[in-house]
Amino acid sequence: QVQLQESGPGLVKPSQTLSLACTVSGDSVSSGSYYWSWIRQPAGKGLDWIGRVSTTGTTTYNPSLQNRVTISVDTSRNLFSLTLNSVTAADTAIYYCARALNAYSIFDSWGQGSLVTVSS
Amino acid sequence: DIVLTQSPDSLAVSLGERATINCKPSQSVLYSSDKRNYLNWYQQKPGQPPKLLFYWASTRQSGVPDRFSGSGSGTDFTLTINSLQAEDVAVYYCQQYYSYPVTFGQGTRLEI
Repeated sequence: QVQLQESGPGLVKPSQTLSLACTVSGDSVSSGSYYWSWIRQPAGKGLDWIGRVSTTGTTTYNPSLQNRVTISVDTSRNLFSLTLNSVTAADTAIYYCARALNAYSIFDSWGQGSLVTVSS
Repeated sequence: DIVLTQSPDSLAVSLGERATINCKPSQSVLYSSDKRNYLNWYQQKPGQPPKLLFYWASTRQSGVPDRFSGSGSGTDFTLTINSLQAEDVAVYYCQQYYSYPVTFGQGTRLEI
């Protein structure tokens, strides 16, 4: 059974870069036709899709974040990562990584989430 | 972007009764070529990530109790929970994948 685990700093200063990794266990990030996504949730609010990366490295981003976000896959370490530049307090949220089995964004497996606070 | 509007925002239902949650996309999520509705339902309990309940609007994910059902098409969808149990307390979200960016509804909080 696949497991996803987010990791990274819990506190980031405004204007700096948020970096998170999602380590995958029980499966390979490069197997099948998986797509790996990042989704965030501000405290007490709803879910916002950030973007995704395929096993071949093809990315799709939410246009609202496209100029600040990079998602990549590292097959040697079996993980995928998120980088978000020029953060503000509005980027404070729980960040989830999730798997879709194919190009259809049906998220069948999720990490437990990583709280990132943007504050000086 | 496709906006998903859920109703109600919250509801309280007695144990053993039926809960009904609605989701209305701002445009149809029925893809004409394959006749499938590109809509999912998730359940999120406090402190946990969302859990997939239904995909293609009405296909139950493995392990989801059959008291849960998903229905609807186009711009009108419903999640129904029959014989409500205490463990069903959660926030429920719909999500569309008809077009990018993927979007979610604002959530419906279900209480006993």
